[in-house]
Amino acid sequence: DVKVTQSSRYLVKRTGEKVFLECVQDMDHENMFWYRQDPGLGLRLIYFSYDVKMKEKGDIPEGYSVSREKKERFSLILESASTNQTSMYLCASSLRQGPNEQFFGPGTRLTVL
Amino acid sequence: GQQLNQSPQSMFIQEGEDVSMNCTSSSIFNTWLWYKQDPGEGPVLLIALYKAGELTSNGRLTAQFGITRKDSFLNISASIPSDVGIYFCAGLNYGGSQGNLIFGKGTKLSVKP
Repeated sequence: DVKVTQSSRYLVKRTGEKVFLECVQDMDHENMFWYRQDPGLGLRLIYFSYDVKMKEKGDIPEGYSVSREKKERFSLILESASTNQTSMYLCASSLRQGPNEQFFGPGTRLTVL
Repeated sequence: GQQLNQSPQSMFIQEGEDVSMNCTSSSIFNTWLWYKQDPGEGPVLLIALYKAGELTSNGRLTAQFGITRKDSFLNISASIPSDVGIYFCAGLNYGGSQGNLIFGKGTKLSVKP
């Protein structure tokens, strides 16, 4: 079974703090994605990566950055957390070729105070 | 940008009833996916559709890829309490960024025992 894990299920941070969200997948997938999910807005793509050291902006990249130093790991960074970044963050991965089903991690519920 | 219209937004049904939900798009998609998300968890893939007209079942779930490639539906037969959750459709268009899905906003299903 594909497994996507996220470093924390729940996180509480203060405004201005630097926040790291880690995602690891064990299926050798090339593509990895970070989304945020908010009530009424659905899933919105923040950043994605097709390969190691490659990254592309999604629909809402402002206030975020990412890092992909290893194929299995994709990190989302909030350089200076703000209250409007309180959200559910979901990581996903997929193959580059063939079926493009994305497999999701369990999510990180981030609260910024 | 591309959008998916998913309906209904929410459903309240009695245990044992059948459920139907659908997604429509203004663009043609090459893949349709259906996910279920339990509260506080990440979305889990239920069914993947790759060909126009394709009808696929997974237990009590049946999904179809519309012949126009612009729509898909998901049916759940004989609903049970554990069917509660949010159901998302997602489409993939190879004309867009490789591997990037477009998500509907979800259908929230409530089942009364």
